[in-house]
Amino acid sequence: GQNIDQPTEMTATEGAIVQINCTYQTSGFNGLFWYQQHAGEAPTFLSYNVLDGLEEKGRFSSFLSRSKGYSYLLLKELQMKDSASYLCALTDSNYQLIWGAGTKLIIKP
Amino acid sequence: TAGITQAPTSQILAAGRSMTLRCTQDMRHNAMYWYRQDLGLGLRLIHYSNTAGTTGKGEVPDGYSVSRANTDDFPLTLASAVPSQTSVYFCASSASGESTGELFFGEGSRLTVL
Repeated sequence: GQNIDQPTEMTATEGAIVQINCTYQTSGFNGLFWYQQHAGEAPTFLSYNVLDGLEEKGRFSSFLSRSKGYSYLLLKELQMKDSASYLCALTDSNYQLIWGAGTKLIIKP
Repeated sequence: TAGITQAPTSQILAAGRSMTLRCTQDMRHNAMYWYRQDLGLGLRLIHYSNTAGTTGKGEVPDGYSVSRANTDDFPLTLASAVPSQTSVYFCASSASGESTGELFFGEGSRLTVL
């Protein structure tokens, strides 16, 4: 079967660094997305990884290891506005997009 | 820039009634999607349209129908609502397809079926 696992909730401190993990088991792989969703709002695109390695974009970085079925989103210099849910989604061999349930990140002062 | 507009923002509906959720985009994207989002679950695809005039079924299509008469509009209809259709519904679009391109989402429509 196909499965995506993310922690349900994480807490971090303002100014710190947090890593949100996403592990997956799918029939094939064609790319992995991360989206941010603030409470009561729409998801917004953060990153897209197709190849192994780290993609850096400002304070946010996304890492992918296809052999391990693993990705993480790294958030640096956390700000209160980073409190949101972070959604991992991947494209399987049939080019269907499969979504994880999301990780709710709580930032404390 | 409007992007994707959904209406209504929220609605309470009696079971058995019909309802159409409206979605309009101004980005001239070919592909459009309807998702539902429920607590503890990932977004689930209801229906999609790769281009005007065509539609397809997603993961959870039962009880829903869509049409795509033109590029901009993609309404979702519940013919006879049931309580299990209580959810937040998101319309989305993409220039190159959901599996390889960035999705742009509307603000969502919160539907409660009693």
